[in-house]
Amino acid sequence: DIQMTQSPSTLSASVGDRVTITCRASQSISSWLAWYQQKPGKAPKLLIYKASSLESGVPSRFSGSGSGTEFTLTISSLQPDDFATYYCQQHNAHFGQGTKLEIK
Amino acid sequence: EVQLVESGGGLVQPGGSLRLSCAASGFTFSSSWMSWVRQAPGKGLEWVANIKPDGSENYYVDSVKGRFTISRDNAKNSLYLQMNSLRADDTAVYYCARDAFWGQGTLVTVSS
Repeated sequence: DIQMTQSPSTLSASVGDRVTITCRASQSISSWLAWYQQKPGKAPKLLIYKASSLESGVPSRFSGSGSGTEFTLTISSLQPDDFATYYCQQHNAHFGQGTKLEIK
Repeated sequence: EVQLVESGGGLVQPGGSLRLSCAASGFTFSSSWMSWVRQAPGKGLEWVANIKPDGSENYYVDSVKGRFTISRDNAKNSLYLQMNSLRADDTAVYYCARDAFWGQGTLVTVSS
């Protein structure tokens, strides 16, 4: 099975900061990677699919890049609503362990 | 409007069985890969299983192989997860999902 590893596990940042979360696959998954945001008690929300395609309705401050085994999610200017947990997922398969984005 | 509505969760004893259902509407169910994803209390997301649109292929996380079976009925726009030999570590909220669309989840608690 392909393993997905995210870093960091926790990230403390302030409103307006630029933040980057990394996801590594144990073997190449081409561009078959999605990013989700989850808030407590809610179902995950799709942000990015196929590594870099922005889901409809998602603010443009979110962007994704990478291919093969290394991927990044970048939030260009953090907004109060962005403090949540973020997960990468090999499309239709394994998730990373999550990155909790906290207010500094 | 896309809707995924799970049902069938509840309290079950270790070693017992449950069958989860997911009713889909608002999209072409018969053309969609579908997945079950679970989240144990306070833990991260775990992909459990998925199934090809025509039901001819399915895949499972290692921890449920041989115990869980994913299936679908395209005529009824429904997805299922038969869970046997349940263990305490299967306790979780179980979500039915298709890419951007997720249900509200159904809680499965395995406890004596």
